Amino acid sequence: EAQVTQNPRYLITVTGKKLTVTCSQNMNHEYMSWYRQDPGLGLRQIYYSMNVEVTDKGDVPEGYKVSRKEKRNFPLILESPSPNQTSLYFCASRAGRVQPQHFGDGTRLSIL
Amino acid sequence: RKEVEQDPGPFNVPEGATVAFNCTYSNSASQSFFWYRQDCRKEPKLLMSVYSSGNEDGRFTAQLNRASQYISLLIRDSKLSDSATYLCVVNLGDRDNYGQNFVFGPGTRLSVLP
Repeated sequence: EAQVTQNPRYLITVTGKKLTVTCSQNMNHEYMSWYRQDPGLGLRQIYYSMNVEVTDKGDVPEGYKVSRKEKRNFPLILESPSPNQTSLYFCASRAGRVQPQHFGDGTRLSIL
Repeated sequence: RKEVEQDPGPFNVPEGATVAFNCTYSNSASQSFFWYRQDCRKEPKLLMSVYSSGNEDGRFTAQLNRASQYISLLIRDSKLSDSATYLCVVNLGDRDNYGQNFVFGPGTRLSVLP
Protein backbone atom coordinates (compact mmCIF):
# COMPACT_ATOMS: atom_id res chain seq x y z
CA GLU A 1 0.00 0.00 0.00
CA ALA A 2 1.31 3.43 -0.98
CA GLN A 3 1.84 5.48 2.12
CA VAL A 4 3.75 8.08 4.06
CA THR A 5 4.64 6.90 7.55
CA GLN A 6 5.51 9.19 10.43
CA ASN A 7 6.74 8.26 13.88
CA PRO A 8 5.98 8.87 16.61
CA ARG A 9 2.29 9.77 16.35
CA TYR A 10 2.32 11.49 19.73
CA LEU A 11 5.16 12.80 21.87
CA ILE A 12 5.28 14.81 25.07
CA THR A 13 8.74 15.98 25.99
CA VAL A 14 10.57 18.77 27.75
CA THR A 15 12.33 21.89 26.58
CA GLY A 16 15.83 21.32 25.27
CA LYS A 17 15.69 17.55 24.83
CA LYS A 18 16.63 16.75 21.24
CA LEU A 19 14.08 14.77 19.29
CA THR A 20 13.62 13.36 15.81
CA VAL A 21 10.40 12.71 13.96
CA THR A 22 10.86 10.17 11.23
CA CYS A 23 9.11 10.16 7.87
CA SER A 24 9.27 7.43 5.27
CA GLN A 25 7.48 7.01 1.94
CA ASN A 26 7.29 3.92 -0.23
CA MET A 27 6.22 5.58 -3.49
CA ASN A 28 9.69 6.51 -4.76
CA HIS A 29 8.69 10.18 -4.67
CA GLU A 30 11.36 12.77 -5.23
CA TYR A 31 9.70 15.62 -3.37
CA MET A 32 9.14 15.57 0.38
CA SER A 33 8.05 18.28 2.78
CA TRP A 34 7.41 18.96 6.43
CA TYR A 35 4.52 21.12 7.59
CA ARG A 36 3.25 22.28 10.91
CA GLN A 37 -0.37 23.12 11.56
CA ASP A 38 -1.51 25.48 14.26
CA PRO A 39 -5.01 26.78 15.03
CA GLY A 40 -5.78 29.86 12.96
CA LEU A 41 -2.52 29.63 11.02
CA GLY A 42 -3.21 26.72 8.71
CA LEU A 43 -0.50 24.54 7.21
CA ARG A 44 2.94 26.12 7.03
CA GLN A 45 5.91 24.54 5.32
CA ILE A 46 9.00 24.02 7.50
CA TYR A 47 11.48 22.39 5.12
CA TYR A 48 11.30 20.58 1.83
CA SER A 49 13.48 18.34 -0.28
CA MET A 50 13.57 17.95 -4.03
CA ASN A 51 15.78 14.87 -4.00
CA VAL A 52 18.51 13.08 -2.08
CA GLU A 53 20.88 15.59 -0.47
CA VAL A 54 18.79 18.52 -1.75
CA THR A 55 16.90 20.36 0.97
CA ASP A 56 15.83 23.94 1.53
CA LYS A 57 13.97 26.11 3.99
CA GLY A 58 10.26 26.64 3.87
CA ASP A 59 8.31 29.41 5.53
CA VAL A 60 9.03 28.57 9.18
CA PRO A 61 12.41 26.76 9.39
CA GLU A 62 13.72 28.29 12.64
CA GLY A 63 14.49 25.67 15.26
CA TYR A 64 14.33 22.72 12.85
CA LYS A 65 16.75 20.66 10.80
CA VAL A 66 16.21 18.00 8.19
CA SER A 67 18.27 15.54 6.21
CA ARG A 68 17.67 13.52 3.06
CA LYS A 69 20.29 10.80 2.83
CA GLU A 70 17.97 8.33 1.15
CA LYS A 71 15.07 8.94 -1.17
CA ARG A 72 12.48 7.34 1.06
CA ASN A 73 13.37 9.03 4.38
CA PHE A 74 13.10 12.64 5.46
CA PRO A 75 13.50 13.04 9.23
CA LEU A 76 12.68 16.27 11.06
CA ILE A 77 15.09 17.14 13.86
CA LEU A 78 14.45 19.50 16.75
CA GLU A 79 17.87 20.05 18.32
CA SER A 80 16.60 22.04 21.29
CA PRO A 81 12.80 21.99 21.34
CA SER A 82 10.91 24.89 22.85
CA PRO A 83 7.25 25.25 23.86
CA ASN A 84 6.46 27.32 20.74
CA GLN A 85 7.18 24.19 18.70
CA THR A 86 4.19 22.46 20.23
CA SER A 87 2.13 21.69 17.16
CA LEU A 88 0.71 19.10 14.80
CA TYR A 89 3.32 18.08 12.22
CA PHE A 90 2.76 16.50 8.84
CA CYS A 91 5.18 14.95 6.42
CA ALA A 92 4.18 14.86 2.77
CA SER A 93 5.56 13.55 -0.48
CA ARG A 94 4.73 13.95 -4.13
CA ALA A 95 5.88 12.41 -7.38
CA GLY A 96 6.56 15.54 -9.34
CA ARG A 97 6.56 19.29 -9.22
CA VAL A 98 2.88 19.73 -10.09
CA GLN A 99 1.57 16.50 -8.59
CA PRO A 100 -0.62 16.44 -5.46
CA GLN A 101 0.88 15.86 -2.05
CA HIS A 102 0.31 12.71 -0.02
CA PHE A 103 0.39 13.19 3.73
CA GLY A 104 1.42 11.07 6.65
CA ASP A 105 -0.92 10.59 9.59
CA GLY A 106 0.62 13.43 11.57
CA THR A 107 2.69 13.76 14.73
CA ARG A 108 1.35 15.68 17.68
CA LEU A 109 4.23 17.18 19.64
CA SER A 110 3.89 18.79 23.04
CA ILE A 111 6.96 20.56 24.40
CA LEU A 112 6.68 21.37 28.09
CA ARG B 1 -3.12 40.10 -0.24
CA LYS B 2 -2.78 36.46 0.77
CA GLU B 3 -1.68 34.03 -1.91
CA VAL B 4 -4.66 31.73 -1.45
CA GLU B 5 -7.90 32.77 0.19
CA GLN B 6 -11.05 30.81 0.94
CA ASP B 7 -14.56 31.46 2.20
CA PRO B 8 -14.17 32.00 5.94
CA GLY B 9 -16.95 29.64 7.00
CA PRO B 10 -18.06 27.71 8.88
CA PHE B 11 -20.85 26.39 6.72
CA ASN B 12 -23.65 24.60 8.53
CA VAL B 13 -26.02 22.88 6.12
CA PRO B 14 -28.75 20.24 6.39
CA GLU B 15 -28.28 16.80 4.94
CA GLY B 16 -29.09 16.73 1.25
CA ALA B 17 -28.18 20.37 0.67
CA THR B 18 -25.90 21.61 -2.06
CA VAL B 19 -22.95 23.62 -0.84
CA ALA B 20 -20.31 25.56 -2.75
CA PHE B 21 -16.84 26.62 -1.67
CA ASN B 22 -14.79 29.29 -3.35
CA CYS B 23 -11.08 29.89 -3.39
CA THR B 24 -9.08 32.70 -4.97
CA TYR B 25 -5.38 32.79 -5.74
CA SER B 26 -3.06 35.68 -6.44
CA ASN B 27 -0.52 34.29 -8.89
CA SER B 28 -1.79 34.14 -12.47
CA ALA B 29 1.03 31.74 -13.37
CA SER B 30 -0.30 29.07 -11.03
CA GLN B 31 -0.10 25.66 -12.64
CA SER B 32 -2.09 23.12 -10.68
CA PHE B 33 -4.95 23.17 -8.26
CA PHE B 34 -6.40 20.75 -5.75
CA TRP B 35 -9.09 20.34 -3.15
CA TYR B 36 -8.23 18.47 0.02
CA ARG B 37 -10.44 17.54 2.93
CA GLN B 38 -9.21 17.36 6.46
CA ASP B 39 -11.04 15.76 9.34
CA CYS B 40 -10.38 17.04 12.83
CA ARG B 41 -6.81 16.24 13.93
CA LYS B 42 -6.23 14.06 10.88
CA GLU B 43 -4.05 14.45 7.82
CA PRO B 44 -5.27 16.32 4.74
CA LYS B 45 -6.47 13.93 2.08
CA LEU B 46 -6.69 14.65 -1.62
CA LEU B 47 -10.30 15.05 -2.64
CA MET B 48 -9.76 15.94 -6.26
CA SER B 49 -7.51 17.74 -8.66
CA VAL B 50 -9.02 20.66 -10.52
CA TYR B 51 -8.69 20.75 -14.28
CA SER B 52 -9.14 23.66 -16.64
CA SER B 53 -12.24 22.16 -18.20
CA GLY B 54 -13.80 21.41 -14.83
CA ASN B 55 -14.24 17.92 -13.49
CA GLU B 56 -16.71 15.86 -11.57
CA ASP B 57 -16.37 12.93 -9.22
CA GLY B 58 -19.71 11.63 -8.04
CA ARG B 59 -21.35 14.33 -5.94
CA PHE B 60 -18.34 16.60 -6.19
CA THR B 61 -17.69 19.10 -8.98
CA ALA B 62 -14.61 21.27 -9.23
CA GLN B 63 -14.22 24.24 -11.53
CA LEU B 64 -11.38 26.54 -12.40
CA ASN B 65 -11.67 30.07 -13.73
CA ARG B 66 -8.21 31.20 -14.74
CA ALA B 67 -9.33 34.63 -15.90
CA SER B 68 -10.77 35.44 -12.49
CA GLN B 69 -8.25 33.32 -10.61
CA TYR B 70 -10.65 31.31 -8.60
CA ILE B 71 -11.51 27.69 -7.98
CA SER B 72 -14.76 26.28 -6.74
CA LEU B 73 -15.96 23.06 -5.21
CA LEU B 74 -19.60 22.04 -5.32
CA ILE B 75 -20.96 19.27 -3.15
CA ARG B 76 -24.41 17.99 -4.05
CA ASP B 77 -26.70 15.96 -1.82
CA SER B 78 -24.41 16.49 1.15
CA LYS B 79 -23.98 13.65 3.64
CA LEU B 80 -23.14 13.72 7.33
CA SER B 81 -19.80 12.18 6.39
CA ASP B 82 -18.95 15.24 4.30
CA SER B 83 -18.43 17.22 7.52
CA ALA B 84 -14.79 18.30 7.44
CA THR B 85 -12.55 21.22 6.61
CA TYR B 86 -11.98 21.75 2.90
CA LEU B 87 -8.60 23.07 1.86
CA CYS B 88 -7.87 24.75 -1.42
CA VAL B 89 -4.29 24.09 -2.56
CA VAL B 90 -2.54 25.96 -5.33
CA ASN B 91 0.73 25.29 -7.05
CA LEU B 92 1.84 28.86 -7.57
CA GLY B 93 4.02 28.07 -10.55
CA ASP B 94 7.71 28.40 -11.20
CA ARG B 95 9.84 29.92 -8.52
CA ASP B 96 13.51 29.80 -7.80
CA ASN B 97 12.89 26.79 -5.61
CA TYR B 98 10.25 24.31 -6.62
CA GLY B 99 9.54 23.11 -3.13
CA GLN B 100 7.90 26.38 -2.22
CA ASN B 101 5.27 25.99 -4.89
CA PHE B 102 2.39 24.55 -2.91
CA VAL B 103 0.33 26.93 -0.85
CA PHE B 104 -2.62 25.87 1.26
CA GLY B 105 -5.61 28.03 1.84
CA PRO B 106 -6.81 28.46 5.43
CA GLY B 107 -9.68 26.03 4.88
CA THR B 108 -13.44 26.24 5.16
CA ARG B 109 -15.19 24.12 7.73
CA LEU B 110 -18.36 22.31 6.74
CA SER B 111 -20.83 20.79 9.16
CA VAL B 112 -23.64 18.74 7.65
CA LEU B 113 -26.49 18.49 10.11
CA PRO B 114 -29.09 15.71 10.35
